[in-house]
Amino acid sequence: EPEVTQTPSHQVTQMGQEVILRCVPISNHLYFYWYRQILGQKVEFLVSFYNNEISEKSEIFDDQFSVERPDGSNFTLKIRSTKLEDSAMYFCASSALLRSSYNSPLHFGNGTRLTVT
Amino acid sequence: GEDVEQSLFLSVREGDSSVINCTYTDSSSTYLYWYKQEPGAGLQLLTYIFSNMDMKQDQRLTVLLNKKDKHLSLRIADTQTGDSAIYFCAYTGGFKTIFGAGTRLFVKA
Repeated sequence: EPEVTQTPSHQVTQMGQEVILRCVPISNHLYFYWYRQILGQKVEFLVSFYNNEISEKSEIFDDQFSVERPDGSNFTLKIRSTKLEDSAMYFCASSALLRSSYNSPLHFGNGTRLTVT
Repeated sequence: GEDVEQSLFLSVREGDSSVINCTYTDSSSTYLYWYKQEPGAGLQLLTYIFSNMDMKQDQRLTVLLNKKDKHLSLRIADTQTGDSAIYFCAYTGGFKTIFGAGTRLFVKA
């Protein structure tokens, strides 16, 4: 069964550094997402991406965050200057083979654990 | 606003049925979901239900939806130790899926 893959599984970085989290969504899916989960807390929506642009973003997704689909397969999340409170598990997800079914089930990767020291 | 409420913990004995409950606020959602998260792993889609359905059964899983009360439940029949995990209720609103805080299911042998 096709799956979403994320790399690395664990990233440790110093405060103020830039990080890029990488994801390969399911081939032929049209919608891509980033979520995060701070340890022991809710899974929080960050951003959705369709047709090479952001379709929706949350308050968490401020100017320090950006997303990109640099080629036909990768989907990346960049944090420009990391803060301690960015430490969390970041999940990538993809969905929908059809434009009209944008709210179909999300398929998640196993996540990247980001630790900011 | 957008919100999903779930109880945080549920403990059952192996072989019993588990019922995990969820309430949500959005009235326009089309799909409602149950995801399972095992320790250190991602979110695995367990099952989902369209908002125009009342019930869906999938092997040991039964999903009940009361749209009037905005209440969703997941019943796991013959619960096994391998079912121990966190279960998230979720719904779609626009281009995003909103998750509850998750219910941690403990299964005692």
